[in-house]
Amino acid sequence: EDQVTQSPEALRLQEGESSSLNCSYTVSGLRGLFWYRQDPGKGPEFLFTLYSAGEEKEKERLKATLTKKESFLHITAPKPEDSATYLCVTMSGNTGKLIFGQGTTLQVKP
Amino acid sequence: NAGVTQTPKFRVLKTGQSMTLLCAQDMNHEYMYWYRQDPGMGLRLIHYSVGEGTTAKGEVPDGYNVSRLKKQNFLLGLESAAPSQTSVYFCASSYPAGGPPYEQYFGPGTRLTVT
Repeated sequence: EDQVTQSPEALRLQEGESSSLNCSYTVSGLRGLFWYRQDPGKGPEFLFTLYSAGEEKEKERLKATLTKKESFLHITAPKPEDSATYLCVTMSGNTGKLIFGQGTTLQVKP
Repeated sequence: NAGVTQTPKFRVLKTGQSMTLLCAQDMNHEYMYWYRQDPGMGLRLIHYSVGEGTTAKGEVPDGYNVSRLKKQNFLLGLESAAPSQTSVYFCASSYPAGGPPYEQYFGPGTRLTVT
């Protein structure tokens, strides 16, 4: 069964304290893995797409990486404005179905 | 470009009332989706459309209907609202003609309360 598990569920960091969010997946024929950011009361905002193991993408303080079993979202020297829920989503190449993780809620304190 | 827009932003219904949520996108995307998001449940797919004039059921379609008469619009209808349909509804679109990329772009959401 296709499944996406994100950990931790919640993460509290001090401003400047780097860390990583994990997304473990089992998907039949991965077509793509997506990271989104969701602020309270708003729709998910697209961050990255990763297509194959070994691929990396960067945007400001965020860096996403992909292996055959998991993806990491590394946050370097986070700022309070990075506080949000980060969603990991996979697309099955066999079914085209999207599988959503439950999200990691990040809080960065000044 | 406005991206994906949704109307209304908020709505309160009484049990048994009907309403239609409108989603519009200006990115020439082929695919459009309706999700609901509930605390502790994550995003769940209600219905989706792979092109103008076509619709399909998602994970939680009961109690909802959809229509895609124009490529840029996707309507979600509740014929007889129930308290269990209290939720935040998100529309999304993806697949420019000839895709990839496959990522979805989401609207700002509609917060619906059924009393």
